[in-house]
Amino acid sequence: GENVEQHPSTLSVQEGDSAVIKCTYSDSASNYFPWYKQELGKGPQLIIDIRSNVGEKKDQRIAVTLNKTAKHFSLHITETQPEDSAVYFCAASTGSARQLTFGSGTQLTVLP
Amino acid sequence: EPEVTQTPSHQVTQMGQEVILRCVPISNHLYFYWYRQILGQKVEFLVSFYNNEISEKSEIFDDQFSVERPDGSNFTLKIRSTKLEDSAMYFCASSPQGTGLYGYTFGSGTRLTVV
Repeated sequence: GENVEQHPSTLSVQEGDSAVIKCTYSDSASNYFPWYKQELGKGPQLIIDIRSNVGEKKDQRIAVTLNKTAKHFSLHITETQPEDSAVYFCAASTGSARQLTFGSGTQLTVLP
Repeated sequence: EPEVTQTPSHQVTQMGQEVILRCVPISNHLYFYWYRQILGQKVEFLVSFYNNEISEKSEIFDDQFSVERPDGSNFTLKIRSTKLEDSAMYFCASSPQGTGLYGYTFGSGTRLTVV
């Protein structure tokens, strides 16, 4: 089955700096890669996703890149703000599996 | 914005007891899921449900677990005889399509504590 590895497990940045979180996946058939933000006591919230026919996608301060050959994808947050502090999860899914395999999460702390 | 609603937010139960976790998915969604997250660990897939039957289930979803959509709105997860290791956050999610090409909407979760 699919295995998703995520790094780093914790990340601290100064407000205004950029943050990058990286994930690798094992199943070359995976074709959908969402990123979720989880705040304390809440469920995962989808913040951005990318499909395997696209190399990069951007939404305001958030961008995701995908390298299918290397089987890795990354989340980039620019101009970080304290409210970006949360746990971020990457995930991967194949079209027919109807399930997500999650990474282990990154605790992002944005220091004011 | 439409939400997935889960109740209760926290449940404490004695080992060996049955628990039912409840979810109200988004009304026009067709695929429903249960995931769990043991404290400090990954979110893990349990089961997917479509057209009133299980589509897929993981190794975690053994005979102690069952799911049901008893009416047009609720989606429940039952654990027949709880074990200490069932203590976790349980998340319900729904999706308009189950192909994995669309994001899920997750509920806020039920924290299950088995004592």
